[in-house]
Amino acid sequence: EVQLVETGGGLIQPGGSLRLSCGTSGFTVSSNYMSWVRQAPGKGLEWLSVSYSDGSAYYADSVKGRFTVSRDSSRNTLYLLMSGLRADDTAVYYCARGLTYRYLDLWGQGTLVTVSS
Amino acid sequence: AIQLTQSPSSLSASVGDRVTITCRASQGISSALVWYRQRPGKPPKVLIYDASSLESGVPSRFSGSGSGTDFALTISGLQPEDFATYYCQQFNSYPHTFGQGTKLEIK
Repeated sequence: EVQLVETGGGLIQPGGSLRLSCGTSGFTVSSNYMSWVRQAPGKGLEWLSVSYSDGSAYYADSVKGRFTVSRDSSRNTLYLLMSGLRADDTAVYYCARGLTYRYLDLWGQGTLVTVSS
Repeated sequence: AIQLTQSPSSLSASVGDRVTITCRASQGISSALVWYRQRPGKPPKVLIYDASSLESGVPSRFSGSGSGTDFALTISGLQPEDFATYYCQQFNSYPHTFGQGTKLEIK
């Protein structure tokens, strides 16, 4: 079955760091366009980043310099390393695949990150 | 960054109704627009890509139109599972912004 599973969310203090993982099955993460999207409680979707198979990445201004995307081909896993976390980073974080470069066709169920003291 | 503005922000309708949601881009994005449906507690699901192409497996009651700056999603014959929140997203340039969402509620 083709799927994505996000893990690593939880409660973290302001200023802290956290690494989210996006485990994949049924396809190879290293050869696909992958994105991270988040959704604050009761709010809309916010695009965070895209990671291409050549290793290039782009980020939203709201997370640029604080969040970094990486891949581990041996584990078929995508990561989101988050640092300098703030209360407004509290959200459900989704990873998603772009089978083409034109839309996100496969989404995980999301993992909740809560930034609070 | 390109801003996407959806109208209306919320909408009430009945099963069987035809509804249209619009998405306006702050600058031209050609046809690089996607529509998603998100049910409560679930991730988004793609409905329409390239402004008017129906994703495989999506019912034909969903249709998309537009290019440039003005786009629309039409649902013809609402079903109970369609009462959800709808988002547009542009893929023309980074960041790949989303609209603010349109919540479709049962009348």
